[in-house]
Amino acid sequence: QQQVRQSPQSLTVWEGETAILNCSYEDSTFDYFPWYWQFPRESPALLIAIRPVSNKKEDGRFTIFFNKREKKLSLHITDSQPGDSATYFCAASEGAGGYKVVFGSGTRLLVSP
Amino acid sequence: AQTIHQWPVAEIKAVGSPLSLGCTIKGKSSPNLYWYWQATGGTLQQLFYSITVGQVESVVQLNLSASRPKDDQFILSTEKLLLSHSGFYLCAWSLDRGNTGQLYFGEGSKLTVL
Repeated sequence: QQQVRQSPQSLTVWEGETAILNCSYEDSTFDYFPWYWQFPRESPALLIAIRPVSNKKEDGRFTIFFNKREKKLSLHITDSQPGDSATYFCAASEGAGGYKVVFGSGTRLLVSP
Repeated sequence: AQTIHQWPVAEIKAVGSPLSLGCTIKGKSSPNLYWYWQATGGTLQQLFYSITVGQVESVVQLNLSASRPKDDQFILSTEKLLLSHSGFYLCAWSLDRGNTGQLYFGEGSKLTVL
């Protein structure tokens, strides 16, 4: 079964620090890797995404680092803010012709002021 | 702009009773539509997807069924609820092939089965 794994399960950082969330996958046919964040009692929302042709994608304080050879990626949140406290899901979708989107188990991030 | 609306917002149902959850998307023709289930504090499990009216593909078997009676409507249902059906049900849409991981979720329907 296709799997996406995330670590750590939960993470606490101080305001201003860099939070690092990890993700790995098994299936080489995955070709799109979005990260979603979900605040309590809300739906997940797309945060940032990357394709395997790139090894880095940056959007403000959020950066994805991608290692295709090791099938690993990570989300770095620099200058973390209390408002970043949420659950972050790494996901992976199949190539052209595929409609399955697999989510990891999530990392619950708490940013303490 | 595209909008996606789910109904009902919340339901409390008895074990063995039927269920119907709905989702409507406006502002996007022929979207890919999805149903996801999320246990409290858990990950998102893809249940069904549909790329066109009348066609629905099942991803996992959870004693649920789905239908797409109209281009902009996706229905999730079962005739007999189980305790394990409790959770948060999310409808989502995506763009065409190559962007199917870019999901836009509705506000969700919270289901409690007693």
